[in-house]
Amino acid sequence: QVQLVESGGGVGQPGRSLRLSCAASGFIFSNYAMHWVRQAPGKGLECVTVISYDGKNEYYADSVKGRFTISRDNSKNTLYLQMNSLRAEDTAVYYCARDRGYNYYMDVWGKGTTVTVSS
Amino acid sequence: QSVLTQPPSVSAAPGQKVTISCSGSSSNIGNNYVSWYQQLPGTAPKLLIYDNNKRPSGIPDRFSGSKSGTSATLGITGLQTGDEADYYCGTRDSSLSAWVFGGGTKLTVL
Repeated sequence: QVQLVESGGGVGQPGRSLRLSCAASGFIFSNYAMHWVRQAPGKGLECVTVISYDGKNEYYADSVKGRFTISRDNSKNTLYLQMNSLRAEDTAVYYCARDRGYNYYMDVWGKGTTVTVSS
Repeated sequence: QSVLTQPPSVSAAPGQKVTISCSGSSSNIGNNYVSWYQQLPGTAPKLLIYDNNKRPSGIPDRFSGSKSGTSATLGITGLQTGDEADYYCGTRDSSLSAWVFGGGTKLTVL
């Protein structure tokens, strides 16, 4: 079945780094753009970054620009989020989601991985 | 402050109908398709409506979507306690070249 499974979350210190992964299965990963969407505790959804199906186009929210990097390995059916210079406000559940186009709509979501930034 | 504006909360009795609004501008809702997402407590969001008014397979026809100008509406009929969730609208913003979500609406079924 179509599935996305995030991993790599945990506790990170302010200023340090974490790398999230999202393993895709059940569909042709290389055909789809992918998002990372986060949700801070008690808050709404925020799309932090998206990458096109071929990795040639990316977008970053201002809140993470210059600190986070999205990438993908289509040979491994895996999406990544490199999170550098972590801040307390990056504390959230991070979801990966499949896009049916590019910023079209998100039809498949993972269950999320929790990132807590704390000293 | 979200680009798309939703009411923070709505409520209705079981069996009744409720609507949730999502207001935007010409750079987002006015010229792009709207989708809606349901987030049950403690779970990941789930696609409910896409292309303004289409339902993915498995979504009951109690859920409907519409769009007029720069606003969109999610309708839910025959409310059930299992519909208690947060609901988010989303669309592309052409000016930002980005995906935007509404702030979310918490539905309470009294």
